[in-house]
Amino acid sequence: DQQVKQNSPSLSVQEGRISILNCDYTNSMFDYFLWYKKYPAEGPTFLISISSIKDKNEDGRFTVFLNKSAKHLSLHIVPSQPGDSAVYFCAAFNAGNNRKLIWGLGTSLAVNP
Amino acid sequence: ETGVTQSPTHLIKTRGQQVTLRCSSQSGHNTVSWYQQALGQGPQFIFQYYREEENGRGNFPPRFSGLQFPNYSSELNVNALELDDSALYLCASSLAWGRDSGANVLTFGAGSRLTVL
Repeated sequence: DQQVKQNSPSLSVQEGRISILNCDYTNSMFDYFLWYKKYPAEGPTFLISISSIKDKNEDGRFTVFLNKSAKHLSLHIVPSQPGDSAVYFCAAFNAGNNRKLIWGLGTSLAVNP
Repeated sequence: ETGVTQSPTHLIKTRGQQVTLRCSSQSGHNTVSWYQQALGQGPQFIFQYYREEENGRGNFPPRFSGLQFPNYSSELNVNALELDDSALYLCASSLAWGRDSGANVLTFGAGSRLTVL
């Protein structure tokens, strides 16, 4: 049972345009959400996070939106750059369940020059 | 400040063998987590160590075991290897879990890719 779902395995956008990566979750007990980026042959690197008490968090070109009623979050990258091409993982944290991160399957983003 | 380093980067084993993977935490971090990432999947939580004790475990059998040392480095041991154990094994370090955003951020190593034949 996939508690964190990234339904788009891949996404392709033009340089300078907006990239929107989506993530849905089923467990209403999740209280923290994170986005990680992974390049080939490297470990995931932290990108941005959001607490369940907020609906938006912004860091430079990256903004994460959280819709708790819909159990949905999204990562917006504006403007997209070729260096953003990577696999993006959505992960959720449940403080009451072994304190472990639950990860989605990832979305591969390609930003074309 | 050094990041998380893992060794070996690649290794090949045969079914039934045992393997030990090693991880050095990022300076200042006291918690280590291990994840298994199969091809095309997201990372799956194996277990977490804090103060040399396991304090969280995912759905992995007991033949997956670990250690954390006083310097916060860690080992992952897998006994009686099976073909399905072939994966990228990721180690991540962090400060102790908490609701503060900084404490929840994991710093990952590049992983150890295990192939079981």
